[in-house]
This record gives sequence, structure tokens and C-alpha cells, in this order.
Amino acid sequence: GAGVSQSPSNKVTEKGKDVELRCDPISGHTALYWYRQSLGQGLEFLIYFQGNSAPDKSGLPSDRFSAERTGGSVSTLTIQRTQQEDSAVYLCASSLRPTANYGYTFGSGTRLTVV
Amino acid sequence: DQQVKQNSPSLSVQEGRISILNCDYTNSMFDYFLWYKKYPAEGPTFLISISSIKDKNEDGRFTVFLNKSAKHLSLHIVPSQPGDSAVYFCAASVVDSSYKLIFGSGTRLLVRP
Repeated sequence: GAGVSQSPSNKVTEKGKDVELRCDPISGHTALYWYRQSLGQGLEFLIYFQGNSAPDKSGLPSDRFSAERTGGSVSTLTIQRTQQEDSAVYLCASSLRPTANYGYTFGSGTRLTVV
Repeated sequence: DQQVKQNSPSLSVQEGRISILNCDYTNSMFDYFLWYKKYPAEGPTFLISISSIKDKNEDGRFTVFLNKSAKHLSLHIVPSQPGDSAVYFCAASVVDSSYKLIFGSGTRLLVRP
């Protein structure tokens, strides 16, 4: 597609349930990032995928969070046993290659609300 | 520990005037600095970047200035337009294997017609 696509756009879940968030990056983009933005905060790095290399998981806040990227394309972020503090907008971004000076393209995000 | 800080949560300017958005950082190892713009319900959009070896980068109405000794950068928008009203995020990166960005908390800019 023309841009980074994320689904669902909104998700309301009960505390303790598992959720899966999906990201379709721009075709051909090898680098994929997940960030989250909590209310009134900046974007917080979660995880990075680059080609077939081992992902950089250094930003995942707890072992309830995991992500995978199948076939070097679609990525899924899974949050197990959701807590209220997980409520945030989860943003996916991709770039043609790892880059520092041209930025990357973000999707519109998934707004997760844990009640 | 906030490595990138935007101390002004909001800014209001008159159309046609200059908007100056500020950002401070603490990590002297940052190699690149970027500005993103975000409209409601949309993802952030890349605006402009600057390498740590430069002190100025200009792109149309947008200019970013970097003062390394003060660990400070600013984004100037001249002239400001109502369509510039958005949240602006400053971000910084260390050029390592992941190029992940450290973001500030954002400044909401309102350009009044």
C-alpha cells in the first residue's frame, strides 16, 4: 500500500485480556519500528526489526509485551494480560533502510484503552 | 531520565509571524536530530533533520538550528500558516544498529488566522 497501515484503529479491552495489534509496513521497507505514546507523553521506543536480523527488543516495558515480523513484512505486537497502564496509542513505522537523517513513515496508530 | 525535553507544552502565534519551537537534550552522543509534526488521529510526519556536525538546516519555511554547546535545538517556521497548527515533536538518535529515536513530549502549536 501507499502508507503504513495499522489495525485496528481503536481497541477497548478488559484488564487481563490479551490483545494483538497489526502493522502492514510500506512494501519493500526493511526496517520496522513500534512506538507507543501515552497521554501527554512523547513517543516511547518499543522494538525494532531489520530484515532477518535479530530484533532490538530493548524498549519493551515488560515480558507481557512481544512482537514478531513474519516474512519480513507484516508485524504483530502482542500484549498479554493487559493492564490499565498499557493504555496508549501504539504506532508502527517503517523505512526503506535504517536511517537517522530522513526519518521514517508512521502509521496512524492503534488507540488501546484498557478498562 | 528524559534525554530529550520540550519544556513548552503549547505555543500560540499569529499567522504570518515566526514560530519558534525549542528542544533541549542531555546526551552528547546524539548524532542526528529530527522534527516531526503530528495532526490529531494521524501518525507523526517527518519534517526536517540536522546532523550533529551542522548548526543549521533549512527547508522552505522550516529551519532547524543546533547549538551543541548548549545542547539545544530549535525549529523556526516563517511565515507561520494556520495549517501549521499541530503538535511538534523533537527527536534524537544515536547512529547505532537500530537508529531508534528518543522523542520529546511535544509542543502544541496554534497559528491564529
